[in-house]
Amino acid sequence: NAGVMQNPRHLVRRRGQEARLRCSPMKGHSHVYWYRQLPEEGLKFMVYLQKENIIDESGMPKERFSAEFPKEGPSILRIQQVVRGDSAAYFCASSRQGRTEAFFGQGTRLTVV
Amino acid sequence: ELKVEQNPLFLSMQEGKNYTIYCNYSTTSDRLYWYRQDPGKSLESLFVLLSNGAVKQEGRLMASLDTKARLSTLHITAAVHDLSATYFCAVDMGSGGGADGLTFGKGTHLIIQP
Repeated sequence: NAGVMQNPRHLVRRRGQEARLRCSPMKGHSHVYWYRQLPEEGLKFMVYLQKENIIDESGMPKERFSAEFPKEGPSILRIQQVVRGDSAAYFCASSRQGRTEAFFGQGTRLTVV
Repeated sequence: ELKVEQNPLFLSMQEGKNYTIYCNYSTTSDRLYWYRQDPGKSLESLFVLLSNGAVKQEGRLMASLDTKARLSTLHITAAVHDLSATYFCAVDMGSGGGADGLTFGKGTHLIIQP
């Protein structure tokens, strides 16, 4: 049973480009969460999605960031016009239901140059 | 706004010693998690604590939860080098109808020296 799969593991973007981060949840999990981790910090909640629905996006920056979890395929976190401050590790987690234990992927480390 | 505070943030200790990491949170919650993270790696779930007085043990690690004091502890017994990592506590404030994400502490960077 594969765990939460994120790709790419490392992503380098120039300022102003777009970054797309993908997350495939564990088999049987329909709840996906995205978190951002800055160096030497804990993880900050960004968004919680179920299939085709955004449940809670209270942690998402209002501009340039968006997330989706389509009926088919992985969840996508999209960052438009990246800036240096977007450099961080982005982790995806999935759970079978809401408020049940979530399992984390390996993360995507985004570097904006 | 829920705040989760861990202390200490950095801890260097010798093998064989005992120590405790503390996690305080500011709002009522009945669900607390402890995770381990190795450098450049993802988070590994260690414990899920679901009720007041819950105590769980795995090897040299033991976690407890006091919901009345809003405090969880992670106790390390007879530390070994392999336990060097960053340990996070995370509190779940979700009610099923609102925010269902976890709020993390800043982490405790633990270094265990031979």
